[in-house]
Amino acid sequence: QQQVKQSPQSLIVQKGGISIINCAYENTAFDYFPWYQQFPGKGPALLIAIRPDVSEKKEGRFTISFNKSAKQFSLHIMDSQPGDSATYFCAAVDAGGTSYGKLTFGQGTILTVHP
Amino acid sequence: ETGVTQTPRHLVMGMTNKKSLKCEQHLGHNAMYWYKQSAKKPLELMFVYSLEERVENNSVPSRFSPECPNSSHLFLHLHTLQPEDSALYLCASSQNVMVDTQYFGPGTRLTVL
Repeated sequence: QQQVKQSPQSLIVQKGGISIINCAYENTAFDYFPWYQQFPGKGPALLIAIRPDVSEKKEGRFTISFNKSAKQFSLHIMDSQPGDSATYFCAAVDAGGTSYGKLTFGQGTILTVHP
Repeated sequence: ETGVTQTPRHLVMGMTNKKSLKCEQHLGHNAMYWYKQSAKKPLELMFVYSLEERVENNSVPSRFSPECPNSSHLFLHLHTLQPEDSALYLCASSQNVMVDTQYFGPGTRLTVL
């Protein structure tokens, strides 16, 4: 119930291509969905986040698409660059629950962008 | 010094050792967190502190003991760990405990021999 399933585990994209990472959840109480980016030797950093009252959010080359009825959301990276090579985590939060600040993370996707 | 810092960055310890991980946040936040990151597993929340009070203990074994002496510092005391406890331990902070963005430190890479 509390899991967030993320796919694929790894992704290889050519420079300039589109990277797509998908996440699915079961808990309908989740109401905040952030994506984190993690480079080797660093902690995760917030990349972009969405609430379920909108179906899409775009920030630069990064877009979250959200499908509330399907309980799925995805990250699209347009014009992927070698500098985007990192591990990406989706997450979900039940802001109205009693689990204070509990981010439930997906398993992570290792993205490699070839030059 | 900015953001969230963690020391040490790397730690190797035997199963009978006692060690502590330190986290410091320079963001004026009120909430701090400990996470465990193991290979091929999702990040696992371990502890949550709000204004120095523990508000969540996510079924963590007692060999891990957190301490939050003030809102800027968080410790994780380690005692009689197991090899399966080897992982990257991440500290994070946020303005408040609810949905605010969490800022992560670089982590401590722990190896238990």
